[in-house]
Amino acid sequence: LAKTTQPISMDSYEGQEVNITCSHNNIATNDYITWYQQFPSQGPRFIIQGYKTKVTNEVASLFIPADRKSSTLSLPRVSLSDTAVYYCLVGALNQAGTALIFGKGTTLSVSS
Amino acid sequence: GAVVSQHPSWVICKSGTSVKIECRSLDFQATTMFWYRQFPKQSLMLMATSNEGSKATYEQGVEKDKFLINHASLTLSTLTVTSAHPEDSSFYICSARVLRTTTSTDTQYFGPGTRLTVL
Repeated sequence: LAKTTQPISMDSYEGQEVNITCSHNNIATNDYITWYQQFPSQGPRFIIQGYKTKVTNEVASLFIPADRKSSTLSLPRVSLSDTAVYYCLVGALNQAGTALIFGKGTTLSVSS
Repeated sequence: GAVVSQHPSWVICKSGTSVKIECRSLDFQATTMFWYRQFPKQSLMLMATSNEGSKATYEQGVEKDKFLINHASLTLSTLTVTSAHPEDSSFYICSARVLRTTTSTDTQYFGPGTRLTVL
């Protein structure tokens, strides 16, 4: 499984756009990228998932360059409630029997 | 998305007793579920892979006789912490991967977690 590297922490203010970049230099052809959000004492919550180019949903966008060696989670107009730990994970497609392995994640702190 | 539930959400027990944690997939079937453990200020650590109808696969360093996993049906996996000690106090989280037909990928969904405190 490809190892991921993210910034340990980031600070932002309410209303700003936050971009968290994840490096996964050894990503394989069959791997896809998933981002999770975790609040204290809760299980991780799925945010967005992608294989290449750009993916957007109601809460975030995911940008993946052509070489797929990195990805950027973009959170538009963050609020205080977006303060959490964000994890970038890489996993092989259609391997339901293989668990995702977590790195250290990025702690995002949003202030007013 | 798919829903994974856990019960109990928190438990306090005395040292030496056993504690069972249930993980259920509420709106899908899961032939495979995963158990993670998370200590304060740390990331999730994979403990084991639970396979329906067969033995669990444990990660290196996880004692299979201490952390008993049973996956008796396609919607239920249980983790039993036997002879619990204070160092077993942690946040235990289960999860399962679900096929997303819209993207032809599978997504791993997580339960809300169970806080175990051993006195």
